[in-house]
Amino acid sequence: EVQLVESGGGLVQPGGSLRLSCAASEFTVDTYYMSWVRQAPGKGLEWVSVIYGGGSTYYADSVKGRFAISRDNSKNTLYLQMNSLRAEDTAVYYCARGGAVSDAFDIWGQGTRVIVSS
Amino acid sequence: QSVLTQPPSVSGAPGQRVTFSCTGTSSNIGAGYDVQWYQHLPGTAPKLLMYGDRNRPSGVPERFSGARSGTSASLAITGLQAEDEADYYCLSYDSSLRGWVFGGGTKLTVL
Repeated sequence: EVQLVESGGGLVQPGGSLRLSCAASEFTVDTYYMSWVRQAPGKGLEWVSVIYGGGSTYYADSVKGRFAISRDNSKNTLYLQMNSLRAEDTAVYYCARGGAVSDAFDIWGQGTRVIVSS
Repeated sequence: QSVLTQPPSVSGAPGQRVTFSCTGTSSNIGAGYDVQWYQHLPGTAPKLLMYGDRNRPSGVPERFSGARSGTSASLAITGLQAEDEADYYCLSYDSSLRGWVFGGGTKLTVL
């Protein structure tokens, strides 16, 4: 079954770091572009970052300079390294596959929760 | 403030037709970038409902339809069902931000 499974969420203090993982099954992460999307409590969905098949990366202004998206093709896994975390980064983080169905994100993970609090 | 503008809520009775609007700018929808629509229940994975403005992925009922005009797009649901109650988001690419932008989401209540 084609699926994405996130992990790595948890409680972290402001200023701390966390790395999220997103393991893919039945497709290879470097064949498509992969994104992270988040939803803060009581808020809407927010696009966070993308990595294209060729390796180019882009970020939302809210996380630029603090977050880094990457992938390990040998492990078929997408990552989001989050540094200098702030309370406003508290959210459920989803990974998603793009480019298989036009430019839409057709496969999503179940999400992993990140709480930034002292 | 989201780059794409959606009304916060919409409601309808079972069997009725409801529409969701999504208004963008000249750097996203107005620039010709495709609009996608997602159905989301918080805490679950968002579900792709519409891509390329008006195309339904396999498995999405014909009750769902999409349209686009100028800097705006819309999603319509006919024959409203209780199971349709969820949050609905539009999404498009923005050339000035070099990334994707979501609408703020519209909460659908089935009366």
